[in-house]
Amino acid sequence: AQSVTQPDIHITVSEGASLELRCNYSYGATPYLFWYVQSPGQGLQLLLKYFSGDTLVQGIKGFEAEFKRSQSSFNLRKPSVHWSDAAEYFCAVGPYNNNDMRFGAGTRLTVKP
Amino acid sequence: DGGITQSPKYLFRKEGQNVTLSCEQNLNHDAMYWYRQDPGQGLRLIYYSQIVNDFQKGDIAEGYSVSREKKESFPLTVTSAQKNPTAFYLCASSAITGGDTQYFGPGTRLTVL
Repeated sequence: AQSVTQPDIHITVSEGASLELRCNYSYGATPYLFWYVQSPGQGLQLLLKYFSGDTLVQGIKGFEAEFKRSQSSFNLRKPSVHWSDAAEYFCAVGPYNNNDMRFGAGTRLTVKP
Repeated sequence: DGGITQSPKYLFRKEGQNVTLSCEQNLNHDAMYWYRQDPGQGLRLIYYSQIVNDFQKGDIAEGYSVSREKKESFPLTVTSAQKNPTAFYLCASSAITGGDTQYFGPGTRLTVL
């Protein structure tokens, strides 16, 4: 079955500390991979995406992610977290049935002062 | 500015009433999607449409209906047959289906009293 797993429901980090959010997927081929961020009560904003090529992808707001085929992972990283990064983060994988993406359950990030 | 609009942001309805959520995009995208978001469950696909006058059921289509009479519009009706309609509903669009980047609207929170 094709699926997306975000093992951490909630992560708390101190402002200025580094961050890594995990995403694992099950997929029959090389997938398209995405990370989105959602502030409370808002829609989702695309942080970055991987379609092919360089496995280290740079995104907006200082985020990056690395596609590791051997580990079926696409972890999101940021070297120094800011208080404004507090939000929920979703990993997504596609295409599924050739037509849509599948989303992980999300990881909620809390940033301590 | 190009984007996706959803209205209203908050919607309250009595149990047993049908309600229609609006989604409009001016990105000239062919594909549009409706997701339901519940706490701790990520996003679940309700319906998607690849082209005008065509739409397909997603994972949780029961109790919902859609139409796609215009490229820019994809309204979702939550019918009285939906057992637990209270949720946050997100509309998205992409240039094409098949794993292309999806862009999201701000969402509508529906509360059924």
